[in-house]
Amino acid sequence: GAVVSQHPSRVICKSGTSVKIECRSLDFQATTMFWYRQFPKQSLMLMATSNEGSKATYEQGVEKDKFLINHASLTLSTLTVTSAHPEDSSFYICSARHTGYEQYFGPGTRLTVT
Amino acid sequence: AQKVTQAQTEISVVEKEDVTLDCVYETRDTTYYLFWYKQPPSGELVFLIRRNSFDEQNEISGRYSWNFQKSTSSFNFTITASQVVDSAVYFCALSEAPRQNFVFGPGTRLSVLP
Repeated sequence: GAVVSQHPSRVICKSGTSVKIECRSLDFQATTMFWYRQFPKQSLMLMATSNEGSKATYEQGVEKDKFLINHASLTLSTLTVTSAHPEDSSFYICSARHTGYEQYFGPGTRLTVT
Repeated sequence: AQKVTQAQTEISVVEKEDVTLDCVYETRDTTYYLFWYKQPPSGELVFLIRRNSFDEQNEISGRYSWNFQKSTSSFNFTITASQVVDSAVYFCALSEAPRQNFVFGPGTRLSVLP
């Protein structure tokens, strides 16, 4: 099946700093990528939909100025958590839409803000 | 609105027992896809099955089987002769047009004891 990678897999940053997470589709082009967030012992919640070449669409309650999404190419979407705070500590997972309803998830990035 | 319910928060069974994980969904669309994913402690989502709304045939894959019933909006997952390696959190998810993002259920944590 198609492969989606995320980098880094784990990151620890200090409160107030920014951190960038990359999501890449390795062997296919993805016009649409999705970003999800999963707090400990909770389910995955959609944060935003990222479309190549256009602005991301954010879900209600997700601050677009805090979570900057860039989908500059058909194989790369980035999520930047700006001015991170401890409450942003979470597991961030991206998915890339292949064809039709085929979607593939990345392995996730565990963010810890100290 | 889309919604996925997994009534069982946690299930504990002894190895070799059969176990069924329930999933009930809500959607207004006639075209949609249902999924099951396994999430081990590493966090990476492991794809188990995808079923479209027009295919109500039950499916069996080794020790895993799925029962899809549109009449009750349910898509239940059974593990036969459970093993310790089956211990994980299992998510049921729904995807519908046009956005095709996933709506995840709250998850069921399955513990298989030796």
